Amino acid sequence: RKEVEQDPGPFNVPEGATVAFNCTYSNSASQSFFWYRQDCRKEPKLLMSVYSSGNEDGRFTAQLNRASQYISLLIRDSKLSDSATYLCVVNAFEIPGAEVRGGSQGNLIFGKGTKLSVKP
Amino acid sequence: EPEVTQTPSHQVTQMGQEVILRCVPISNHLYFYWYRQILGQKVEFLVSFYNNEISEKSEIFDDQFSVERPDGSNFTLKIRSTKLEDSAMYFCATAGQGVMDTQYFGPGTRLTVL
Repeated sequence: RKEVEQDPGPFNVPEGATVAFNCTYSNSASQSFFWYRQDCRKEPKLLMSVYSSGNEDGRFTAQLNRASQYISLLIRDSKLSDSATYLCVVNAFEIPGAEVRGGSQGNLIFGKGTKLSVKP
Repeated sequence: EPEVTQTPSHQVTQMGQEVILRCVPISNHLYFYWYRQILGQKVEFLVSFYNNEISEKSEIFDDQFSVERPDGSNFTLKIRSTKLEDSAMYFCATAGQGVMDTQYFGPGTRLTVL
């Protein structure tokens, strides 16, 4: 069974703090990884894709460790508006010839999310 | 910026009734998905649709569910005979040119089954 695991939190941090979220995924054949953000009762919105080389978008940095099947998200200088649930997401599509059985047409596998609350 | 739209935003129905949830994908997108999220739980995949047919479905997507793209624009999810446990947010998502392209989500339809 393909799973994505996250610490549910909540993480309660003051404005300006740096906070890090971690996530692990079970399928070593996974190729595509994302962090989405979800506000209460809203749709998931793409925050950033995650690449092996690591990528940064302003205050946000994402890292992927394929050997450990581990994904991280770092938020620097937290803002009140960063308060949300952060979803670790893996695309179920597998590389051709992978040992794991069963192909996928790209459905996303979501973690339960990590709730962040930034306080003044 | 193009967006995925969904209607209705909230649907209340009686158990056993049929509901149709509608989605208008981003115009040049080719891959369409339905997900659901029961309150307090994670987002779960239901079905993917490409080239006018289902390409994959989860075990949640049983015979009570169906999808179609009747007019080349709307993408619909039908639940034939709703159950209490179908109460959830239903999200449509679309992706551009490939199964690994970014998926963009619509605002969702909140389905309440009484």
